[in-house]
Amino acid sequence: DAKTTQPNSMESNEEEPVHLPCNHSTISGTDYIHWYRQLPSQGPEYVIHGLTSNVNNRMASLAIAEDRKSSTLILHRATLRDAAVYYCILRDVRNRDDKIIFGKGTRLHILP
Amino acid sequence: KAGVTQTPRYLIKTRGQQVTLSCSPISGHRSVSWYQQTPGQGLQFLFEYFSETQRNKGNFPGRFSGRQFSNSRSEMNVSTLELGDSALYLCASSFGGQISGNTIYFGEGSWLTVV
Repeated sequence: DAKTTQPNSMESNEEEPVHLPCNHSTISGTDYIHWYRQLPSQGPEYVIHGLTSNVNNRMASLAIAEDRKSSTLILHRATLRDAAVYYCILRDVRNRDDKIIFGKGTRLHILP
Repeated sequence: KAGVTQTPRYLIKTRGQQVTLSCSPISGHRSVSWYQQTPGQGLQFLFEYFSETQRNKGNFPGRFSGRQFSNSRSEMNVSTLELGDSALYLCASSFGGQISGNTIYFGEGSWLTVV
């Protein structure tokens, strides 16, 4: 079973910031937090990942709570092309494999 | 650099037939994993291959099988197709040998319809 909890769907206006929450209350010390997104009719794509500190890349920012039991993916300025299903995933650094347990994710709707 | 390539993109099969799907990973990637995506069950892990060896397997019946070749290309096969096997089959590749930031790259998938 997926070890993360996300809202089923969210809406945001175009050109505004979007904060996508994820709860992972049972996270272990060796779990990294990864985010993927899946645009319509495409395979999932990697967005960002982190362990304890907040992370930024060209696509998004990841804010991780101090107790690591939750995190937030931040899209600074949403565009219509950001409409997708966003998956928050825990990956144990000790596991030397690519088995990912996906939850249902959050379907993000962007309003023009 | 070329991404993960899956063929065919779309196919229709009849119940009872078998199907083979192909995946070419990103050059240099040694790990290939397969996922099934349906509206009801979401994304589910099928299996993973690393250096021609199956390293992990999901909870799917034995009708689902796969293999990996020495050039890291992979195929998956589904025998005795059932209507419920209609799905998007996704292949993903990575360098493998898990490190924390080992990014996995997905292909666009093969849409299988069983009639």
